[in-house]
Amino acid sequence: GAGVSQTPSNKVTEKGKYVELRCDPISGHTALYWYRQSLGQGPEFLIYFQGTGAADDSGLPNDRFFAVRPEGSVSTLKIQRTERGDSAVYLCASSLPDNTEAFFGQGTRLTVV
Amino acid sequence: AQTVTQSQPEMSVQEAETVTLSCTYDTSESNYYLFWYKQPPSRQMILVIRQEAYKQQNATENRFSVNFQKAAKSFSLKISDSQLGDTAMYFCAFMKRSSGTYKYIFGTGTRLKVLA
Repeated sequence: GAGVSQTPSNKVTEKGKYVELRCDPISGHTALYWYRQSLGQGPEFLIYFQGTGAADDSGLPNDRFFAVRPEGSVSTLKIQRTERGDSAVYLCASSLPDNTEAFFGQGTRLTVV
Repeated sequence: AQTVTQSQPEMSVQEAETVTLSCTYDTSESNYYLFWYKQPPSRQMILVIRQEAYKQQNATENRFSVNFQKAAKSFSLKISDSQLGDTAMYFCAFMKRSSGTYKYIFGTGTRLKVLA
């Protein structure tokens, strides 16, 4: 597709459940980022992939959060044992190897009830 | 650690007028990029303008320009001839240019409303 695609757009889950959020980057973009945006805040860095490998996962808040990008294209953010505090918009972005402009998707709004 | 501060939570401007959004940052790095992103209600972040720290000349993109003061660590965005479509959240962001990681650090945003 022409832009970064994130699915689902919205996800409501019960506390304690497992969720997966998908990101389909722009074709040819080797860099991929996940961010979390809580209400009224700026995006907060979670993880950065260069190709298939996580080059920087220092923003993942705890071991319930995990992300993969097995073929260097689509990425999945996985959250285990969800908590109400995980409710936020999860943004994905991709860029060319020079990293000078990140293109963002429209995000997935996760609500944990 | 790098930090980005936007001290204006909300601003408003009349259509066709000029408005300036403020941003300051803190870093010990010398090689970095600064960005302004726009986030309309659709949630999608859109790049407005980018500044490379080693360039002294201020970046401009049509109605958008920046005032980059490297010594003061200030990076303000000026929007000229404001349009209703400029209504959105605006985020200032910093990216360190070094090998291994290129993460963006965002400020808390400024909500801009353009009034008809």
